[in-house]
Amino acid sequence: DTAVSQTPKYLVTQMGNDKSIKCEQNLGHDTMYWYKQDSKKFLKIMFSYNNKELIINETVPNRFSPKSPDKAHLNLHINSLELGDSAVYFCASSQSEVGRTEAFFGQGTRLTVV
Amino acid sequence: AQKITQTQPGMFVQEKEAVTLDCTYDTSDPSYGLFWYKQPSSGEMIFLIYQGSYDQQNATEGRYSLNFQKARKSANLVISASQLGDSAMYFCAMREGPNTGNQFYFGTGTSLTVIP
Repeated sequence: DTAVSQTPKYLVTQMGNDKSIKCEQNLGHDTMYWYKQDSKKFLKIMFSYNNKELIINETVPNRFSPKSPDKAHLNLHINSLELGDSAVYFCASSQSEVGRTEAFFGQGTRLTVV
Repeated sequence: AQKITQTQPGMFVQEKEAVTLDCTYDTSDPSYGLFWYKQPSSGEMIFLIYQGSYDQQNATEGRYSLNFQKARKSANLVISASQLGDSAMYFCAMREGPNTGNQFYFGTGTSLTVIP
């Protein structure tokens, strides 16, 4: 059973389109994240949710809107896609307390905007 | 200031040799955790090892060990007896207390190549 699953794995779309990436975790974690990994492999936090509440909203264009219908799901919707949005997007989850509570990552979604 | 600094963009190591990947961190929080992840060319993020700020001993997990020097704020990863499958990107990460929203701060990564 996959711990953190995100779909789709690959997404190729045209500029201006709207797309969604889904993420689900079956680990019972209370915190979920979206990270963006650019072409230089840098991992940047986009959003963090704790028990369905938005905790972190980094400087991300408001074209990006996360939605957490429940603790196990955190979806990412992107409006009006731009070329610069091309990247790998990772969903992750963890328990909130500090300790040996590593983040578990989904397989990543490679988004290519053409 | 960067929370996590990895100063080695790329490293090479001979198969069966040991290699150290550097990581320094910056925090004023007394309670934090340090993590290392491996990202092979296939793209997934694999957790390797954890070190807590209050842990007295350096963490070890199989061929991975973490050289934790708290006063110097460094958490270097040591891979012993390198294997070809160790070729990957390696990321150091830190997590502070709840005031920072539970997020994991990542370094820029080190690309390790194991030479046969």
